[in-house]
Amino acid sequence: DAGVIQSPRHEVTEMGQEVTLRCKPISGHDYLFWYRQTMMRGLELLIYFNNNVPIDDSGMPEDRFSAKMPNASFSTLKIQPSEPRDSAVYFCASSFWGNNQPQHFGDGTRLSIL
Amino acid sequence: DAKTTQPNSMESNEEEPVHLPCNHSTISGTDYIHWYRQLPSQGPEYVIHGLTSNVNNRMASLAIAEDRKSSTLILHRATLRDAAVYYCILRDNFNKFYFGSGTKLNVKP
Repeated sequence: DAGVIQSPRHEVTEMGQEVTLRCKPISGHDYLFWYRQTMMRGLELLIYFNNNVPIDDSGMPEDRFSAKMPNASFSTLKIQPSEPRDSAVYFCASSFWGNNQPQHFGDGTRLSIL
Repeated sequence: DAKTTQPNSMESNEEEPVHLPCNHSTISGTDYIHWYRQLPSQGPEYVIHGLTSNVNNRMASLAIAEDRKSSTLILHRATLRDAAVYYCILRDNFNKFYFGSGTKLNVKP
């Protein structure tokens, strides 16, 4: 069984550039989550989708961040323009509906903004 | 707004049991308690979850206090591969997860 697939695994880019992170959730899952992890703030929920519709984006730090889910098998998290403080590991996770359902995480994208 | 409190770090000897505590005094009646662990350079990995009763699976056991304000993850025989950060998380009716800061478990050979 393929798990949650994220790409790229690593991204290094210069400040001001547009960054796009990609996620393929597990087939059949209703929910998709985007998280950011830093040493200072730990794991933070940025946004999550239910059946491709954004439900809660209160964790998105600024208007520079945007996320889309055009279909059930693909989501993107975009940062434009990027800044050095956006450097972090970004995780995507998916799950079935229900608060007794576990989330399955991808291996993350390590983003470095120079 | 983390809803759980865990010790920052714990240490265990290999092949001994480990009890990882978690406090969640503001838990609501329908919140499930989930435990995840994160190995270096990997995403969090599901370990176990429960609502009211104690739970067992091949990885661990989960003991939940009668008032549900605390829980304990039990690794019956720690191995070096169990060294990780362990997160105790509540999942609410809106399907949101609230991650705390986790407990870093160090396993000594």
